[in-house]
Amino acid sequence: DSGVTQTPKHLITATGQRVTLRCSPRSGDLSVYWYQQSLDQGLQFLIHYYNGEERAKGNILERFSAQQFPDLHSELNLSSLELGDSALYFCASSQPGYGYTFGSGTRLTVV
Amino acid sequence: AQSVTQLGSHVSVSEGALVLLRCNYSSSVPPYLFWYVQYPNQGLQLLLKYTTGATLVKGINGFEAEFKKSETSFHLTKPSAHMSDAAEYFCAVSATSGTYKYIFGTGTRLKVLA
Repeated sequence: DSGVTQTPKHLITATGQRVTLRCSPRSGDLSVYWYQQSLDQGLQFLIHYYNGEERAKGNILERFSAQQFPDLHSELNLSSLELGDSALYFCASSQPGYGYTFGSGTRLTVV
Repeated sequence: AQSVTQLGSHVSVSEGALVLLRCNYSSSVPPYLFWYVQYPNQGLQLLLKYTTGATLVKGINGFEAEFKKSETSFHLTKPSAHMSDAAEYFCAVSATSGTYKYIFGTGTRLKVLA
């Protein structure tokens, strides 16, 4: 157990739907990062939150949004889902310079 | 801006042979460098990291990497491969300030032959 908890582990949904992925960071970590891992794109940085504030955006589609709550857990919302959104979604938490700790990921399948 | 290049998307070695996975980086500021391992259907696990100080970094499972600034490289090595080392390995770079977001390489899948 890495200390970073992601739920659900698997999600199957239809095109056009909306889903929410949840991440609880390791105790004491203020930063949460979201990544998308797909076969053709590799590991792509989506967004970074630090203590509730958005700090950086990467290749995140406008259909995707995220937030970090006061208890530091984060949610990634994916809407108007397309087949191409099928991927593994990872969150990671960190303290600066100490390296990310990754969750085990949510495997999203859009059918 | 930062980037990472991992040479060789697939590497095969015999059990007991040297493992060498190559990583070159580009960074406009002094970097932090990381190697992660991913086993099938699992998340990424930190193998080792370079932040400051000693350029030869030792990690878990017998892996080590050397930061060579002149060559902008951070290659991962292990003297003797074990079957359990078969996995995908990712090199990553981050800035030493600001958002600390990681830029990952495309990964190298290591196969260990009996």
